Amino acid sequence: GENVEQHPSTLSVQEGDSAVIKCTYSDSASNYFPWYKQELGKGPQLIIDIRSNVGEKKDQRIAVTLNKTAKHFSLHITETQPEDSAVYFCAALAYGQNFVFGPGTRLSVLP
Amino acid sequence: DAGVTQSPTHLIKTRGQQVTLRCSPKSGHDTVSWYQQALGQGPQFIFQYYEEEERQRGNFPDRFSGHQYPNYSSELNVNALLLGDSALYLCASSLRLNSPLHFGNGTRLTVT
Repeated sequence: GENVEQHPSTLSVQEGDSAVIKCTYSDSASNYFPWYKQELGKGPQLIIDIRSNVGEKKDQRIAVTLNKTAKHFSLHITETQPEDSAVYFCAALAYGQNFVFGPGTRLSVLP
Repeated sequence: DAGVTQSPTHLIKTRGQQVTLRCSPKSGHDTVSWYQQALGQGPQFIFQYYEEEERQRGNFPDRFSGHQYPNYSSELNVNALLLGDSALYLCASSLRLNSPLHFGNGTRLTVT
């Protein structure tokens, strides 16, 4: 079955700097890759996603890139703000299967 | 537009007891998935319901069972609770299978 790895497990950046979180997946049939943000006491919230026919997608300060050959995808957050502090999860989905989540990255944005 | 709602928010049970968690999907969604999230880990898939049937199941024992009602709401039942069942239980809804998941805020289950 699918296995998703995520690095780093913790990340601290200064406010205004960029943050990058990387995920790798094992199943070449996976074709949909969402990213979720989970704040304390809340459920994961979908922040951006990408499908396998696209290499990059941007939404304001957030972008996701996908390299299908290498089976990895990354989340990029620019101009980080204190409210970006949270746990971020990547996930992968192959058609007909269930979502498999990475173990998460705890991002701390220091003022 | 109501999102995914889960009840209760917190629950404390004793080993060996049974528990029922409830979920109402986001308006317009017809598929419900349940996940277990242990402290410091990513969500682990339990099972998925669509058209009142269990469509997929993760690596969880038969002590975990569920149900989906005609209004798309769902229940997760866990029998013979173990200490290791302590976790945040997340419900996620989607429109059909293989679509983006929208999560509720979860039910925090503590087994003592």
